[in-house]
Amino acid sequence: TAGITQAPTSQILAAGRSMTLRCTQDMRHNAMYWYRQDLGLGLRLIHYSNTAGTTGKGEVPDGYSVSRANTDDFPLTLASAVPSQTSVYFCASSEGDTSTDTQYFGPGTRLTVL
Amino acid sequence: GQNIDQPTEMTATEGAIVQINCTYQTSGFNGLFWYQQHAGEAPTFLSYNVLDGLEEKGRFSSFLSRSKGYSYLLLKELQMKDSASYLCAAMDSNYQLIWGAGTKLIIKP
Repeated sequence: TAGITQAPTSQILAAGRSMTLRCTQDMRHNAMYWYRQDLGLGLRLIHYSNTAGTTGKGEVPDGYSVSRANTDDFPLTLASAVPSQTSVYFCASSEGDTSTDTQYFGPGTRLTVL
Repeated sequence: GQNIDQPTEMTATEGAIVQINCTYQTSGFNGLFWYQQHAGEAPTFLSYNVLDGLEEKGRFSSFLSRSKGYSYLLLKELQMKDSASYLCAAMDSNYQLIWGAGTKLIIKP
């Protein structure tokens, strides 16, 4: 079982360009999440989806958008990248059972915006 | 506001025991998670506590005191492969995880 895959592994992007980070899970998990991780800070939630067809805003949603057309895929789009979006991006998924909902993480995408 | 505090860095010796502390303040509480993250890799789940007390899982144990807003992760018989960051996260009333910045654990021979 692959679990969660993310693509690309890393990317250098010019400021002002758009980009979509891909995330796919094969565990049939209901919930999916996008986080960014910056040095000295905890993981910060960007957007989440509790089930296919629904999405919600996390702590730092500005400049990002998501969609959840099906259970497996949860792409994150940067419409017009800025240098402050340089970060490591992790996608995660969970069963969606809120009582003991363990999140499982993908390998991450390292994004540099110049 | 919501906040998680944990030490930035700790050093321990191979074969020894280390305790990593975490204090939390959240709007509501639905459990405390510990994750391990090796450099350049994804976080991986270690433990979950929702009731007061100690949960033991092999060399790793996790403790929770809800009244004190406090948890710790105890690692015994330290091995070099335990060198990693340890992330504490509390689940709030909306079932969102609030993450600490992580504790970097350095193991010396």
